[in-house]
Amino acid sequence: AQKITQTQPGMFVQEKEAVTLDCTYDTSDPSYGLFWYKQPSSGEMIFLIYQGSYDQQNATEGRYSLNFQKARKSANLVISASQLGDSAMYFCAMREDTGGFKTIFGAGTRLFVKA
Amino acid sequence: GAVVSQHPSRVICKSGTSVKIECRSLDFQATTMFWYRQFPKQSLMLMATSNEGSKATYEQGVEKDKFLINHASLTLSTLTVTSAHPEDSSFYICSGGSQETQYFGPGTRLLVL
Repeated sequence: AQKITQTQPGMFVQEKEAVTLDCTYDTSDPSYGLFWYKQPSSGEMIFLIYQGSYDQQNATEGRYSLNFQKARKSANLVISASQLGDSAMYFCAMREDTGGFKTIFGAGTRLFVKA
Repeated sequence: GAVVSQHPSRVICKSGTSVKIECRSLDFQATTMFWYRQFPKQSLMLMATSNEGSKATYEQGVEKDKFLINHASLTLSTLTVTSAHPEDSSFYICSGGSQETQYFGPGTRLLVL
């Protein structure tokens, strides 16, 4: 069964505007972590933000914030003030804390920032 | 942030040969590292968990005899693709780090002719 779901294959956003990338997850493990990574065309995976399942507050890192809704099992990424350099693939990922801390990834969303 | 290096960054080999990919953690010790494979326009698929000093743990559907993993030290894990075939052509990425942050290597593009 799909554990990480990203339903938006592609998204467009105007430069300087905010955009939300959706991610839902499925786990029965009470302890887990949620991540967002950016992958530009070069292929490198760039860590953006992390949210632990027991964290009370939504994670924020500069222009990135994670809208964590535990009951809905969603972990949407919000990018504020989009920049042309934000154009890339974005992956949502989950680490379950049983089973060796391995991390699994969603299918990804390609973000296009328009000038 | 922590740095993970991979070598080589690109490799082209003939079908039937073996290719070794190295993954090094440059400024932290990694008892566990992860190996992923990414086909074009697809997501990262976890292949195996590399454990320092013990056997790797492979995901379902990944042939352990084809993808040999060695994690002999706290800073080095290697993935050897044995008897490579064109369908093994892919982008291979390793990662290591902490519970809250996994740092990824730059990846290795393998092309098997």
